[in-house]
Amino acid sequence: DGGITQSPKYLFRKEGQNVTLSCEQNLNHDAMYWYRQDPGQGLRLIYYSQIVNDFQKGDIAEGYSVSREKKESFPLTVTSAQKNPTAFYLCASSPRGTGATHEQYFGPGTRLTVT
Amino acid sequence: AQSVTQLDSHVSVSEGTPVLLRCNYSSSYSPSLFWYVQHPNKGLQLLLKYTSAATLVKGINGFEAEFKKSETSFHLTKPSAHMSDAAEYFCVVWTGNQFYFGTGTSLTVIP
Repeated sequence: DGGITQSPKYLFRKEGQNVTLSCEQNLNHDAMYWYRQDPGQGLRLIYYSQIVNDFQKGDIAEGYSVSREKKESFPLTVTSAQKNPTAFYLCASSPRGTGATHEQYFGPGTRLTVT
Repeated sequence: AQSVTQLDSHVSVSEGTPVLLRCNYSSSYSPSLFWYVQHPNKGLQLLLKYTSAATLVKGINGFEAEFKKSETSFHLTKPSAHMSDAAEYFCVVWTGNQFYFGTGTSLTVIP
């Protein structure tokens, strides 16, 4: 099956701890994205990567870090510097380049709760 | 400036009646437009997309949307609502450089 996997589905952490959310895709997409979703709100872009070994900050990057060492993988680390980390995190990927239609494919999400 | 506005945060319809979810966009470029659906605690699923081909786009589950450049709109419709359509719907614009998300419309279907 082709698609995007995120793990775990639910994650609980104590305040002050860093935590890494996994995102893997087997769609051979160049671009990958991380979004945060809070109750009753739309999606806000945290980081995105258009190619391996390169990534850019989105609208709310503070307190987060990413890496893109492999095309298939784009893990997100929520650091202790993120002031309000409890949220639903969504990973997405999309094709790029001439002729690509650019639609995003989303993973099932990880719900992070920090207490 | 680029933006997406979903004109209704909540829409309620009775089962079997038509659905209309409204989306307006602003873009300096000819955009690609998408509608996604999100069920509770799930990821987003693509319903349909407009990429400068036919202005009336048919998607999955009986949904369709019409791109109207003169009105800068991309409203989502369905002739007859089903209980399983109850979800959050997002209108998304790709400008060639970045995706812009609307704030979402929550659809309630009343039996």
